[in-house]
Amino acid sequence: DIQMTQSPSSLSASVGDRVTITCRASQGISNHLSWYQEKPGKAPKLLIYETSTLQSGVSSRFSGSGYGTEFTLTISSLQSEDVATYYCQKYNSAPLTFGGGTKVEIK
Amino acid sequence: QVQLQQSGPGLLKPSQTLYLTCDISGDSISSVTATWNWVRQSPSRGLEWLGRTYYRSRSKWKTDYADSVKARIIVSPDTSNNQFSLQLNSLTPEDTAMYYCAKERDWAGFDSWGQGTLVTVSS
Repeated sequence: DIQMTQSPSSLSASVGDRVTITCRASQGISNHLSWYQEKPGKAPKLLIYETSTLQSGVSSRFSGSGYGTEFTLTISSLQSEDVATYYCQKYNSAPLTFGGGTKVEIK
Repeated sequence: QVQLQQSGPGLLKPSQTLYLTCDISGDSISSVTATWNWVRQSPSRGLEWLGRTYYRSRSKWKTDYADSVKARIIVSPDTSNNQFSLQLNSLTPEDTAMYYCAKERDWAGFDSWGQGTLVTVSS
């Protein structure tokens, strides 16, 4: 099975900073990757699918890029409401594996 | 607007079986452009995809499962009630987690989620 590895596992940045999270697949998955934001006590929220397509209603601060085995999620200007854990997920075929998560905090 | 409503018990003992159901409104369980999934979240393991069921007109109903639970999980559709269910056998404390049902739009991520069910496995 394809493994999904996220880095870093956690980060601390200042409001207004540009934040980048990386997700690596152990084998190529084309562009079949999505990103989720998870906040305590809430269901995960879909941010981006198909590597770079922004889900309806999601802030344009979020963007995604990549192809094959390496992908990134970028928050262009970190805001306090972006404090959360972020997960990537492959969906080219089962199993639909999630990455290990990246916890984002405000410095 | 698709809404998913979960139901099922929250406290179980080791070796027991977990049954959760997910009622669908705003879409059909038999949609050929959706898959119906179960995901769990725990502090130690993060988000973990467990399995899915979906309908495709040629191949009828299909299921896929995560290797970690493949030997003891069943995800099944209920077309009469427009819902799907999760059965997880031989529970251990390691199965303690928040469980979610979720809909995947065709090749477009999990865009609808249930409210979550906190399942605790303890003697």
